[in-house]
Amino acid sequence: NAGVTQTPKFQVLKTGQSMTLQCAQDMNHEYMSWYRQDPGMGLRLIHYSVGAGITDQGEVPNGYNVSRSTTEDFPLRLLSAAPSQTSVYFCASSYTLGAGYTFGSGTRLTVV
Amino acid sequence: KQEVTQIPAALSVPEGENLVLNCSFTDSAIYNLQWFRQDPGKGLTSLLLIQSSQREQTSGRLNASLDKSSGRSTLYIAASQPGDSATYLCALPQGGSEKLVFGKGTKLTVNP
Repeated sequence: NAGVTQTPKFQVLKTGQSMTLQCAQDMNHEYMSWYRQDPGMGLRLIHYSVGAGITDQGEVPNGYNVSRSTTEDFPLRLLSAAPSQTSVYFCASSYTLGAGYTFGSGTRLTVV
Repeated sequence: KQEVTQIPAALSVPEGENLVLNCSFTDSAIYNLQWFRQDPGKGLTSLLLIQSSQREQTSGRLNASLDKSSGRSTLYIAASQPGDSATYLCALPQGGSEKLVFGKGTKLTVNP
């Protein structure tokens, strides 16, 4: 099993550009989430999904969009990149409530 | 709102020492708590998941305990090795949801 796969691993964007961070899992997990990790701030939840077609906001959703058209994929879209979105982004998935999360290896994003 | 605190923020020990990492939380109405390990520049690796009905979980040299009434969890590492050097994070859900709240971690260095 590949687990949770994130692409790309590294990305540099110019301010104002848009892009999509990809996340895919092959474990038939219903729950998927996006987190960002910043020095001194720890990991913070951006958006999450409890199943295909269902998404909700986390702690820091502004500037990001998500959709969940399939169980396997949960892409994160940056609409108009800003330097404040420079961070490391992690995708995670869980089989069900309380089952514990599996994390991807992360995407390191720099916005200049 | 669930708040998670990890003390100490950093810890340096000689190889072979037994050590305890602490995690405290404010809302005891949880259904599980998860300990992760993060190596520099890498993703999160799940170490132990404790359900609310459990008092402790063990995996090899690692033992995690949970005391909901006092809002505390500890991660015990026996006979530490240089390969244990990493940042250790605890995470638990916000209320009854799947929104994970993370502590800021304890950076462990085990010196040969």
